Amino acid sequence: GAGVSQSPSNKVTEKGKDVELRCDPISGHTALYWYRQSLGQGLEFLIYFQGNSAPDKSGLPSDRFSAERTGGSVSTLTIQRTQQEDSAVYLCASSLEWGAGYTFGSGTRLTVV
Amino acid sequence: AQSVSQHNHHVILSEAASLELGCNYSYGGTVNLFWYVQYPGQHLQLLLKYFSGDPLVKGIKGFEAEFIKSKFSFNLRKPSVQWSDTAEYFCAVNALSGTYKYIFGTGTRLKVLA
Repeated sequence: GAGVSQSPSNKVTEKGKDVELRCDPISGHTALYWYRQSLGQGLEFLIYFQGNSAPDKSGLPSDRFSAERTGGSVSTLTIQRTQQEDSAVYLCASSLEWGAGYTFGSGTRLTVV
Repeated sequence: AQSVSQHNHHVILSEAASLELGCNYSYGGTVNLFWYVQYPGQHLQLLLKYFSGDPLVKGIKGFEAEFIKSKFSFNLRKPSVQWSDTAEYFCAVNALSGTYKYIFGTGTRLKVLA
């Protein structure tokens, strides 16, 4: 597609439920990134996928967070047993190659109640 | 660990005033540097980037940034701001050390008064 597409745009969930967030990167972009944007916290790196290489999961805050990227394209970020502190905007970005600059999606605003 | 500092969290300016937003990073090696902007209700957009060469980088909408290696800084400037520049600005660093992730600053909220 023309841009990075994320769905849903908004998600309200009850504490303890699992959620799945989807990212569809720009076609042909080999690198895909997930970040979390909390109020006043800036952007926090979560996970990075590059081609067929093993993902860099160093930013995932706990084992309740996981992500996969199927077929080198669409990625899903899963949060299990959501907590209120998981409330944030989850941003996906893709890039054609390393260092090229990210193109961000519009994000998924997650609210855990 | 790498870090990025944006010391100005909130800036309020009148139209036509000059702007300078500070960005400092901590990493001793070679870096790529970026400024992103997020207008109200919109997604993050790349404003400008520095990879190598001329340390004075010009971006979109009249913005520019200067890389000063000795000061580990990459400050964003605009000679005359407009009301439409009201947005949040993020500085980001990518260290050329084999890692592909960007480290972002906490952002600066700019409000331009008409």
